[in-house]
Amino acid sequence: AQKVTQTQTSISVMEKTTVTMDCVYETQDSSYFLFWYKQTASGEIVFLIRQDSYKKENATVGHYSLNFQKPKSSIGLIITATQIEDSAVYFCAMRVSNMGYKLTFGTGTSLLVDP
Amino acid sequence: DMKVTQMPRYLIKRMGENVLLECGQDMSHETMYWYRQDPGLGLQLIYISYDVDSNSEGDIPKGYRVSRKKREHFSLILDSAKTNQTSVYFCASSLFSEHQDTQYFGPGTRLLVL
Repeated sequence: AQKVTQTQTSISVMEKTTVTMDCVYETQDSSYFLFWYKQTASGEIVFLIRQDSYKKENATVGHYSLNFQKPKSSIGLIITATQIEDSAVYFCAMRVSNMGYKLTFGTGTSLLVDP
Repeated sequence: DMKVTQMPRYLIKRMGENVLLECGQDMSHETMYWYRQDPGLGLQLIYISYDVDSNSEGDIPKGYRVSRKKREHFSLILDSAKTNQTSVYFCASSLFSEHQDTQYFGPGTRLLVL
């Protein structure tokens, strides 16, 4: 069975600093895909970034990057130069190749960026 | 403009009433999903649809059924709603492609069952 764990319930940082959110996953499969989604205060959920298990390089999109540590089954999300509008709930998710297109989500980490 | 829509946005029903939640997308995505979100539990998959009349149970299908008669439209039905089905329901869609499977979410429907 697949499982995604986010142990940080909430994080508070100052604007323009760097924050890392942790995510640990469990799967027996060798081929899987890891995602981060953001849910804003209005409830909108948007895709941020993705890491394929077979890729060694960490994915980067804008001021989001990933710290993929495969031996530790860990996929951290790093946000550099945080902005007020980064305040949101961040969900880690995993899809396993042989399970179709089903995503398993973590419980989310609430990020508050203070001015 | 890529968009997933949900209707209604807010709904109050009494226990035992039937509930119909509707979802539409304008991206011709083959795959569509229904999730529910409860505090502290993240998003839980109820049903997934791979195309018209090709639906599969997710992790928590009990008490729900779905209908997909057109590619752009996916319905979630609660027959005889229960109070524990009070939740926020999200619909999503994605391409049926290993490397293009980003899910696009609708704005959610907040359902209260009294």
